[in-house]
Amino acid sequence: AQKITQTQPGMFVQEKEAVTLDCTYDTSDQSYGLFWYKQPSSGEMIFLIYQGSYDEQNATEGRYSLNFQKARKSANLVISASQLGDSAMYFCAMRGENNNDMRFGAGTRLTVKP
Amino acid sequence: DAGITQSPRYKITETGRQVTLMCHQTWSHSYMFWYRQDLGHGLRLIYYSAAADITDKGEVPDGYVVSRSKTENFPLTLESATRSQTSVYFCASSDKGYGYTFGSGTRLTVV
Repeated sequence: AQKITQTQPGMFVQEKEAVTLDCTYDTSDQSYGLFWYKQPSSGEMIFLIYQGSYDEQNATEGRYSLNFQKARKSANLVISASQLGDSAMYFCAMRGENNNDMRFGAGTRLTVKP
Repeated sequence: DAGITQSPRYKITETGRQVTLMCHQTWSHSYMFWYRQDLGHGLRLIYYSAAADITDKGEVPDGYVVSRSKTENFPLTLESATRSQTSVYFCASSDKGYGYTFGSGTRLTVV
């Protein structure tokens, strides 16, 4: 069974600094996709970044990058130059070979301090 | 409007009542999903559908029923609501192998 673990219930970061949100996963699939979503206080789920298991380079999307370490089964999200608007819940998720569903971690609440 | 729409946004119902949450998508995505979000649990999959007339259970299906007679609609029914089903419900859709697009969520309170 697939499992996603986010060990940081809450994180604080100073505005303009970088922050890393941890995510580890467990799967026996050879092919899978890793995703990060942002959920602001308004409640919607916003897709941030995707990493395929066969991608050799780490994914980047603007200020977001995914530090993918396949052997360690980790997919940490790095946010550079934090902004106040980055304060939100962040969810790591994985979709396996069968593509039937995506499993989510419990989330990390990020607070950016001015 | 293009996208994925959930209705209602908010619902209060009594224990034992049947309630249906609606989900409609305009992209003709093959996959549709229902998740519930509870504090400390993240999002947990209730049911999913790979195509019209094909549905399957997720992690927490007990007490829920789904149907998918048309590709664009995927209603979720609570047959006899319980207080433990108080939650925020998210519908999502995707094509095979891609990430999800989520609806805005339905906040359900069972009293």
